[in-house]
Amino acid sequence: AQSVTQLDSHVSVSEGTPVLLRCNYSSSYSPSLFWYVQHPNKGLQLLLKYTSAATLVKGINGFEAEFKKSETSFHLTKPSAHMSDAAEYFCVVARRGSYIPTFGRGTSLIVHP
Amino acid sequence: GAGVSQSPSNKVTEKGKDVELRCDPISGHTALYWYRQSLGQGLEFLIYFQGNSAPDKSGLPSDRFSAERTGGSVSTLTIQRTQQEDSAVYLCASSFQRGAAETQYFGPGTRLLVL
Repeated sequence: AQSVTQLDSHVSVSEGTPVLLRCNYSSSYSPSLFWYVQHPNKGLQLLLKYTSAATLVKGINGFEAEFKKSETSFHLTKPSAHMSDAAEYFCVVARRGSYIPTFGRGTSLIVHP
Repeated sequence: GAGVSQSPSNKVTEKGKDVELRCDPISGHTALYWYRQSLGQGLEFLIYFQGNSAPDKSGLPSDRFSAERTGGSVSTLTIQRTQQEDSAVYLCASSFQRGAAETQYFGPGTRLLVL
């Protein structure tokens, strides 16, 4: 069985300050982990993906995430928020060999000028 | 190249009517997923198609929901006798290969409102 918990439903930051979106997962097997972003009235877009290579994964738009097996976490960070980062972010866990990923409930990132 | 497209983008219907939602996946992608996204919720898996294999329908919430994929490409999700609780955004995604560890490419969704 696998599950994913996004610890914050909303995160509010000021433009230019760091972003931290938290994700914890549970998986019986070595997982693949994803972060997707959804801008208003758009589909989801892949930000980054972990598949057991480097534990620090760099994605698009300056985002990165670190896989920490001991903490079962895959938090998403960005050093400096931009207004265009305001969106919904989804953490996703997938077990290799399965074909149905598990999505978190999403974190809404609000960026204030 | 073209991404995943969905139509219509918005659909308003009356309770009890049937609706059809269409998804055109990326050419060459063998896997296709339908998800439902309700307000404030994550994505709820509905159905998965892989090539010519029998689909995994385990996520369909009731027998009012059905889907087909013709010729391994275009897919249609049909909701019969719509109810107000069916109101949601229906998202389609495709991936090049089978497996949940593959990157999924999402369409913009169909926003369904049942009055």
